[in-house]
Amino acid sequence: NAGVTQTPKFRILKIGQSMTLQCTQDMNHNYMYWYRQDPGMGLKLIYYSVGAGITDKGEVPNGYNVSRSTTEDFPLRLELAAPSQTSVYFCASSQPGNEQFFGPGTRLTVL
Amino acid sequence: AQKVTQAQTEISVVEKEDVTLDCVYETRDTTYYLFWYKQPPSGELVFLIRRNSFDEQNEISGRYSWNFQKSTSSFNFTITASQVVDSAVYFCALRGGGAQKLVFGQGTRLTINP
Repeated sequence: NAGVTQTPKFRILKIGQSMTLQCTQDMNHNYMYWYRQDPGMGLKLIYYSVGAGITDKGEVPNGYNVSRSTTEDFPLRLELAAPSQTSVYFCASSQPGNEQFFGPGTRLTVL
Repeated sequence: AQKVTQAQTEISVVEKEDVTLDCVYETRDTTYYLFWYKQPPSGELVFLIRRNSFDEQNEISGRYSWNFQKSTSSFNFTITASQVVDSAVYFCALRGGGAQKLVFGQGTRLTINP
């Protein structure tokens, strides 16, 4: 039982490049989330999903896209990377009403 | 709107001291859930506790204890006899009863010095 896994662990992008952050969970959780954590700050919700095929915006969705084609996977897409997207990205999953379990994070730098 | 305030940005104590991390929340929901997470230097987020709004009983787990007071909208976390391994950033978070989104405080960086 690996829990929530994220790839890659680190990535450096140039301005304007695109990339997909991968997130997979093996706990059969219905709910999945993407957060970003800026230095010295708490986590802010980017997008979340309550099940396959259903996604919704969080607090800071601009510049990102998501899809949820399976229960296990919830990739986060950055289309045109900007320096403001330099952050640590966490994926999480949960069952309804329960605590969220977090992945190890992806540290992204945009130069 | 929901909000979580952790007024203590950084705390530094000597090992074996007791330390309390404060958390104050705002919500209009009558049903809600409060959480504490630990983020050690390695960066992952570790779930510590969940408390729902109908359960004001304090909880103790080893050296950790939590004090939930609805009257003051607070959910404070105390570490007794602190250890160096307790050094981490601690986050308090709130989830409204009808939502699945967590609202995090800004975190308190706790440093335990030997």
